[in-house]
Amino acid sequence: GAVVSQHPSWVICKSGTSVKIECRSLDFQATTMFWYRQFPKQSLMLMATSNEGSKATYEQGVEKDKFLINHASLTLSTLTVTSAHPEDSSFYICSAPVGREGLEAFFGQGTRLTVV
Amino acid sequence: GQNIDQPTEMTATEGAIVQINCTYQTSGFNGLFWYQQHAGEAPTFLSYNVLDGLEEKGRFSSFLSRSKGYSYLLLKELQMKDSASYLCAVKDSNYQLIWGAGTKLIIKP
Repeated sequence: GAVVSQHPSWVICKSGTSVKIECRSLDFQATTMFWYRQFPKQSLMLMATSNEGSKATYEQGVEKDKFLINHASLTLSTLTVTSAHPEDSSFYICSAPVGREGLEAFFGQGTRLTVV
Repeated sequence: GQNIDQPTEMTATEGAIVQINCTYQTSGFNGLFWYQQHAGEAPTFLSYNVLDGLEEKGRFSSFLSRSKGYSYLLLKELQMKDSASYLCAVKDSNYQLIWGAGTKLIIKP
């Protein structure tokens, strides 16, 4: 079945540095990738939708200059957290719609980001 | 506003049956999803309902009533590995997924 591979699974970085998270669709082409953030014991919150070959669509309240999304190919989407701060510490998850109905059935493994 | 409600936590016994309810108020409806999420991991897809009725898939079943804005996930023959959070999500008229906060299910021996 379709697989979305997300890397790294966890990362610790210093305040002010940038972190890049990659999501790859391994056996299918993902023209769209959803990026979510999840704080402990809270819902998944959609941050942005990346589209291959065009600009990402950001949800209200998400800073596009801070969370840079690139979807340069049909198999790779990246999220870069720039100038990270401790409040950016969270679980970041990507997901690609698969199938005729576009079911969001496949998620990456998630990235646990800790900013110290 | 849009809202998905589900219980915060439930406890059940190994081998038993548990029903997790989800009610929703959204602008439009284009399907309801159930996901399982173990702590620290990404969600995994369990079921999808777009028409009223019951969808059965092994030990798991999901029910939908669009007129009532209501769904439930039924888990039978509970196993310890079923201890996880169960997330209800609805696609609204813009095909955006609206997520519930999840129900933490604790299975006791």
